[in-house]
Amino acid sequence: DAKTTQPPSMDCAEGRAANLPCNHSTISGNEYVYWYRQIHSQGPQYIIHGLKNNETNEMASLIITEDRKSSTLILPHATLRDTAVYYCIVRPILQGAQKLVFGQGTRLTINP
Amino acid sequence: EAQVTQNPRYLITVTGKKLTVTCSQNMNHEYMSWYRQDPGLGLRQIYYSMNVEVTDKGDVPEGYKVSRKEKRNFPLILESPSPNQTSLYFCASSWTGSSGNTIYFGEGSWLTVV
Repeated sequence: DAKTTQPPSMDCAEGRAANLPCNHSTISGNEYVYWYRQIHSQGPQYIIHGLKNNETNEMASLIITEDRKSSTLILPHATLRDTAVYYCIVRPILQGAQKLVFGQGTRLTINP
Repeated sequence: EAQVTQNPRYLITVTGKKLTVTCSQNMNHEYMSWYRQDPGLGLRQIYYSMNVEVTDKGDVPEGYKVSRKEKRNFPLILESPSPNQTSLYFCASSWTGSSGNTIYFGEGSWLTVV
């Protein structure tokens, strides 16, 4: 079972920052937070991941609360191409633990 | 360019007619996996492989077979397809070792069994 809770849908205006929340209150100390997205029915695309520090890459920023029970994915300047389903996934830090358990995700719609 | 390539992308077949969906990756990844995606059920893992000749069942393996004779290829075999295997299928690959590795997905294969 997925160990995360996300809102089923969100809207954001083009050019604005999109902030997608994720609750993972049962996360343990040896688990990462991962974000993937799926555009239409294409293959899921990796966005970013983190353990306890905030992370930033060319696609997004990930803010993890100090208690690690929730996180926020930030798309700083959303475009129409960012319309997708976004999945927040908790994944163990174990050698060989390659499986991703997907929940229902958040359907993000970017409006012109 | 790093790629996970699946074929065919779209297939309509009849019940009982054996079919194979191929998956190939060009990143020398040890780990490969198959998922299926169904409305309301999300993505579920079918089979995975940690390396050549090493395969194991995922969450929904019934009705499927896999093989891993070469590192780059991981075909999904439906010996006797049934309509409940109509789904969108994804192949994935990554390095093993730390789970901080990124998992890459293919573009998907739409399979309809009539």
